[in-house]
Amino acid sequence: GEDVEQSLFLSVREGDSSVINCTYTDSSSTYLYWYKQEPGAGLQLLTYIFSNMDMKQDQRLTVLLNKKDKHLSLRIADTQTGDSAIYFCAETPNTDKLIFGTGTRLQVFP
Amino acid sequence: GAVVSQHPSRVICKSGTSVKIECRSLDFQATTMFWYRQFPKKSLMLMATSNEGSKATYEQGVEKDKFLINHASLTLSTLTVTSAHPEDSSFYICSARDRGLGWNYGYTFGSGTRLTVV
Repeated sequence: GEDVEQSLFLSVREGDSSVINCTYTDSSSTYLYWYKQEPGAGLQLLTYIFSNMDMKQDQRLTVLLNKKDKHLSLRIADTQTGDSAIYFCAETPNTDKLIFGTGTRLQVFP
Repeated sequence: GAVVSQHPSRVICKSGTSVKIECRSLDFQATTMFWYRQFPKKSLMLMATSNEGSKATYEQGVEKDKFLINHASLTLSTLTVTSAHPEDSSFYICSARDRGLGWNYGYTFGSGTRLTVV
């Protein structure tokens, strides 16, 4: 199957870390992505991880991949108000298609 | 980097009319583009894969006669919503991948089109 699930909502205080989780079902995905969507806008690629990696860090972003459990997470360190948006994980299950997760709305409060 | 331009950003049309949405890859050639639909506070649903010079591949449940896709050149794909009805109101987003770049560059998305059918 190609169901990719995320928790719907996350609220954090400014300066704290945010962790957004994603569970996917298709283990054939070679790359897994995290995208950010601000209100009324398209999607911005934040980061990616290759399936043979366990972790990737890119400035404030850390991606963890647990292939055994098909679990992907995105940690945002020192979360800022500008990080408030919807975050989507996405996979490419052995095709050229990009399949999105259900999306997590991150709200950052002062 | 790869840039995808989508127009119009917002359109309001009367029920029964048709609306065309354009998606252009500005600095790369895209043999394949993708069209998504997003309902309010929902995820993106892949509607179809647009293939340059050939017919689009539609996902299950998507009416190909209602959502016409044309990919006449390597830089332009269009989505036409025919005989639009209020239930077609949604946010439509296109995307493409620059095959000259690696998979780590991911897919580039247009800024989306908000369609409202009244």
